[in-house]
Amino acid sequence: AQTVTQSQPEMSVQEAETVTLSCTYDTSESDYYLFWYKQPPSRQMILVIRQEAYKQQNATENRFSVNFQKAAKSFSLKISDSQLGDAAMYFCAWHSYGKLTFGQGTILTVHP
Amino acid sequence: NAGVMQNPRHLVRRRGQEARLRCSPMKGHSHVYWYRQLPEEGLKFMVYLQKENIIDESGMPKERFSAEFPKEGPSILRIQQVVRGDSAAYFCASSPGGQGVYNEQFFGPGTRLTVL
Repeated sequence: AQTVTQSQPEMSVQEAETVTLSCTYDTSESDYYLFWYKQPPSRQMILVIRQEAYKQQNATENRFSVNFQKAAKSFSLKISDSQLGDAAMYFCAWHSYGKLTFGQGTILTVHP
Repeated sequence: NAGVMQNPRHLVRRRGQEARLRCSPMKGHSHVYWYRQLPEEGLKFMVYLQKENIIDESGMPKERFSAEFPKEGPSILRIQQVVRGDSAAYFCASSPGGQGVYNEQFFGPGTRLTVL
């Protein structure tokens, strides 16, 4: 069974600083996608960034970037220049054949 | 272009009653997914439907839960004889395509079910 593990229940960062959220996954498949979703207090799920497993280049979206290590099955999210609006629950997710498998989530607090 | 719509946003039921959760996918999307989020946990996949077909129901509890996506109208997640453990947020997502090829899933705002 595919599993996604986020080992950091909570993280905090100072505004304008950089923070990295960790994620590991376990799968025997070779073709899949990985995502980071943000869930603010409104509970709306917002896609932050995605990575195709066949691409070696790490995905980047403005202040958000990933460090994808396929052999190690690791997929961390780096948030640069953190802003107060980044405070939320962050979920790592793995996608294959239609369904998403989510990690347990990491609560990110941003201090002014 | 309206996003994925779910109603009601909040639903309160007493133990033993039935809960019906509705999901209208984005325009042009023919695939719907239901996820459940228990308090303090991540989302768990329940079921994946295409119009008039259940593609994958591996995450659905064997009893009391059912889902449908008719040719016309919204997708319905139905929970019969609710128990306190069913209290959760239920999210619907839709995509234009389906399995095998990646299609981004767009999420609705969720329905928070509270069972008294």
